[in-house]
Amino acid sequence: AQKVTQAQTEISVVEKEDVTLDCVYETRDTTYYLFWYKQPPSGELVFLIRRNSFDEQNEISGRYSWNFQKSTSSFNFTITASQVVDSAVYFCALSEDTGGFKTIFGAGTRLFVKA
Amino acid sequence: GAVVSQHPSRVICKSGTSVKIECRSLDFQATTMFWYRQFPKQSLMLMATSNEGSKATYEQGVEKDKFLINHASLTLSTLTVTSAHPEDSSFYICSASLEGLSYEQYFGPGTRLTVT
Repeated sequence: AQKVTQAQTEISVVEKEDVTLDCVYETRDTTYYLFWYKQPPSGELVFLIRRNSFDEQNEISGRYSWNFQKSTSSFNFTITASQVVDSAVYFCALSEDTGGFKTIFGAGTRLFVKA
Repeated sequence: GAVVSQHPSRVICKSGTSVKIECRSLDFQATTMFWYRQFPKQSLMLMATSNEGSKATYEQGVEKDKFLINHASLTLSTLTVTSAHPEDSSFYICSASLEGLSYEQYFGPGTRLTVT
């Protein structure tokens, strides 16, 4: 069965600090996709990244970077030099080939960035 | 591209009434749409998957007769909460995907339902 664990419920940092949000997943499929979404107070989900199971290359996009390690079933997300606008809930999600790629979300990590 | 809208964005209804939420893909044809609900400070929980022209597939624990889903066209899916009760108050989010690309979902902005 597929499962996504975000062990960090809340994280609080001071502006300009780096912060890493952890995500551990479970799946029996060899073909799957991993996602990160940001949900600001408005509620609308903002897509950040999608990674397929065959692409372990790490990715950097501005202040955001992602570390995908199949060996540890982890897909961690790092924000460098955090800003107040980064304050939001961040969800890690998994979509498997089996079951029509329905998406299972982790519990989310609420990030507070203080000025 | 790939915009999904939801209507209404907010709705307040009285207990016992039914409310319909629309999910539209504005610039693409969505063969599959997904419906999620999110309670305050919780994660998104998949309720059902709907494919155009066929019956929706509900997740375990979701009442089919309570949450009626219709996906009559490639750009519109509706969720009707029947005989709503205060415990149905939640944030409902839909997503849509292109044919053969179900892993690539585009999310709507969500509908906040409050049942009084």
